Amino acid sequence: QQQVKQSPQSLIVQKGGIPIINCAYENTAFDYFPWYQQFPGKGPALLIAIRPDVSEKKEGRFTISFNKSAKQFSLHIMDSQPGDSATYFCAASMDYGGSQGNLIFGKGTKLSVKP
Amino acid sequence: NAGVTQTPKFQVLKTGQSMTLQCAQDMNHNSMYWYRQDPGMGLRLIYYSASEGTTDKGEVPNGYNVSRLNKREFSLRLESAAPSQTSVYFCASSENFSGSDTQYFGPGTRLTVL
Repeated sequence: QQQVKQSPQSLIVQKGGIPIINCAYENTAFDYFPWYQQFPGKGPALLIAIRPDVSEKKEGRFTISFNKSAKQFSLHIMDSQPGDSATYFCAASMDYGGSQGNLIFGKGTKLSVKP
Repeated sequence: NAGVTQTPKFQVLKTGQSMTLQCAQDMNHNSMYWYRQDPGMGLRLIYYSASEGTTDKGEVPNGYNVSRLNKREFSLRLESAAPSQTSVYFCASSENFSGSDTQYFGPGTRLTVL
């Protein structure tokens, strides 16, 4: 059972565009939602994260929007650059509970930003 | 600091062979994880070690065993490799076993089982 659904699977935008990646979760016990960025041949690295008590978080050109009632969250990349071309994973986890340290990942979105 | 290191980077096995993937971290982290990454499947947790001396199964543990050798090292063993275990394997670590602790990933091991 997939607990975090991510879309789209792939995305192509022009430089300067605003790609949007969407995720939806099922388990209302999740209380931490990170996004990881992975460049080809590398391991994933934390990009930005949000808790459900805020509706938006910005770090540089990256913004997470969070809709608790809809159980959805999304990543927006402002003024996208070719260097942002990577695979992006959303994830969810719980601070408490038997498996609280475990991240549940979405299936990933491969983003390509054309010059 | 090297962060999380994994060896080997690439490996080709024949069906039925065994091998051990090595992982080490130099960040004094308590928790360590093994994931596999397959196209279109995202990252799936194989096993984790919340703290030194403990290991637990993740989402896809069948066909694998792990050893938390000490606080720094966490190895993944394939006793009898199968083609379905062809994948990229990532080791990760976090300071503590908490949902909000950042997981730091190694560079991965690309394994092909023929």
